[in-house]
Amino acid sequence: NAGVTQTPKFRVLKTGQSMTLLCAQDMNHEYMYWYRQDPGMGLRLIHYSVGEGTTAKGEVPDGYNVSRLKKQNFLLGLESAAPSQTSVYFCASRPKGLAGVYVGGELFFGEGSRLTVL
Amino acid sequence: AQTVTQSQPEMSVQEAETVTLSCTYDTSESDYYLFWYKQPPSRQMILVIRQEAYKQQNATENRFSVNFQKAAKSFSLKISDSQLGDAAMYFCAYRSANAGNNRKLIWGLGTSLAVNP
Repeated sequence: NAGVTQTPKFRVLKTGQSMTLLCAQDMNHEYMYWYRQDPGMGLRLIHYSVGEGTTAKGEVPDGYNVSRLKKQNFLLGLESAAPSQTSVYFCASRPKGLAGVYVGGELFFGEGSRLTVL
Repeated sequence: AQTVTQSQPEMSVQEAETVTLSCTYDTSESDYYLFWYKQPPSRQMILVIRQEAYKQQNATENRFSVNFQKAAKSFSLKISDSQLGDAAMYFCAYRSANAGNNRKLIWGLGTSLAVNP
């Protein structure tokens, strides 16, 4: 009963390093999201995906790239990490309903990944 | 554009007492969904309760209930018989029912709730 799993849970990077956060969901959900959470800023959408092989930009996409090669996985990459990317990152997913509208609207979240960029 | 406002950054309540967290939103749409999510210290966000805008009846989930005032664009969360495990950050969120907009949740900044024993 894993739900949404994020790896790694914690990571410390030096400025300029690259890394990838992995999100895996076992609920066969169509939609997947990456958010970042910062104090006083709430949750901000970085990128999202409405299905395998498709991705789209959210509110704060700069400095990040994503890929959805498999339906169950959504990867978030930082090509050249900056201190401004120090944050807690959350992955979420939800199913697609009839005609693309999911009546419930509930997101299922992972436990978060705390990233520190020095 | 839609916005969600939580005017109380921090709240506290005595164990077993009742507390109400406020949320207001701004939208020109008539059909939408509203949510309260809980984020405990473990960080994982959990859905507490949802409300469909077309429903007049306020949603209730055990000790959690909402006061949904559509005309006033208000969506408050009431927690009855507060327990220590209720201590968390609570986020109010809005989602359009429009298929073109429904991929995105609009989030408030959260209210940190402390429960005092």
